[in-house]
Amino acid sequence: TQLLEQSPQFLSIQEGENLTVYCNSSSVFSSLQWYRQEPGEGPVLLVTVVTGGEVKKLKRLTFQFGDARKDSSLHITAAQTGDTGLYLCAGVDAGGTSYGKLTFGQGTILTVHP
Amino acid sequence: NAGVMQNPRHLVRRRGQEARLRCSPMKGHSHVYWYRQLPEEGLKFMVYLQKENIIDESGMPKERFSAEFPKEGPSILRIQQVVRGDSAAYFCASKPNLGTNEKLFFGSGTQLSVL
Repeated sequence: TQLLEQSPQFLSIQEGENLTVYCNSSSVFSSLQWYRQEPGEGPVLLVTVVTGGEVKKLKRLTFQFGDARKDSSLHITAAQTGDTGLYLCAGVDAGGTSYGKLTFGQGTILTVHP
Repeated sequence: NAGVMQNPRHLVRRRGQEARLRCSPMKGHSHVYWYRQLPEEGLKFMVYLQKENIIDESGMPKERFSAEFPKEGPSILRIQQVVRGDSAAYFCASKPNLGTNEKLFFGSGTQLSVL
């Protein structure tokens, strides 16, 4: 069974601060996705990282995939109140009959205070 | 192009009743996934279906739970004789192709509450 450990589970910061969320596993994934989920809604894909060592930037968000494709991080620069939400990492299985099903981390609840 | 549609949004059942959750994937999408989310937790994979076929049901409890995706109509997740532990948000997701890295589109979920 593949597992993704996401940390921290809760993060409360002031507007303008930087933060990093981590996602770690002992398993290799074909790719890793980051989602953001609002209360009462389904997750919305932010980014997919595919290649070991890959770094992707989305405005103030920077996503990195570990060289061994077992871990990933999300870094937010100068957080804004609009960044508040649940952030989820999800590993994409590659082999066998998994057909691309996702293994999700437990999520990080981010609260940005004005 | 409408997104993934799930209904009902909220479903209340008493213990022992049946719950039927519906999911209409995005137009042109033939791959459907069901996930379950407990409060303040990530999503857990339940089942993966294509039209008229269950491909992977490794995450679905063997008792009381079943899923289908008929040739015509929505995908249905059925829970018989519900118990309080079945209370959760159930999300459906779809994608068009088999490739593993294609974007997965999620519905808004059905919040099941078992009294």
